[in-house]
Amino acid sequence: KAGVTQTPRYLIKTRGQQVTLSCSPISGHRSVSWYQQTPGQGLQFLFEYFSETQRNKGNFPGRFSGRQFSNSRSEMNVSTLELGDSALYLCASSLSGDTQYFGPGTRLTVL
Amino acid sequence: GESVGLHLPTLSVQEGDNSIINCAYSNSASDYFIWYKQESGKGPQFIIDIRSNMDKRQGQRVTVLLNKTVKHLSLQIAATQPGDSAVYFCAEIGVDSSYKLIFGSGTRLLVRP
Repeated sequence: KAGVTQTPRYLIKTRGQQVTLSCSPISGHRSVSWYQQTPGQGLQFLFEYFSETQRNKGNFPGRFSGRQFSNSRSEMNVSTLELGDSALYLCASSLSGDTQYFGPGTRLTVL
Repeated sequence: GESVGLHLPTLSVQEGDNSIINCAYSNSASDYFIWYKQESGKGPQFIIDIRSNMDKRQGQRVTVLLNKTVKHLSLQIAATQPGDSAVYFCAEIGVDSSYKLIFGSGTRLLVRP
């Protein structure tokens, strides 16, 4: 069974731009969670989607948003990028939400 | 607030020895814990999990111990190999069933040949 895939793997943007990241979960998994990983803050929860509905949200500003499609694929969007948004963005999939399996991440650099 | 932390930021062990990585958590009501391994340039890889109704669980070369009395979690790796070198995170599932993983800061395991 294929694992979690994320695209793109690397991205360079400038301040003020917006970005969309994509995640395809493990086949059959309906829960997709997003995390931000930085050296200073570690791994922090962004939000979780289950059956196209946002079920949980972390403590990030409204510039961070996401959605999930009927095939469970998910996208997250960051608008008005700031330098501090540079991070590794990780997607995790789960059957129901507890045991989560991570993808390789998207490395976002904001210049 | 909720937090999951680790006692040692870096652990260096001799190849073939056993490794023990520790984690403290603050929310006594959390009921599910996971250990992840993250190698450079990769996402966290699931190693083993344990629920709060257990105090020990074994996998292949790994054992997780849970001590709810002192809110302590540990990961034991038997016969540590060079491929075990990575950063290890413990994670806790929020007790409000929010499915939000709360991660510790991580421990870097270095295996000396």
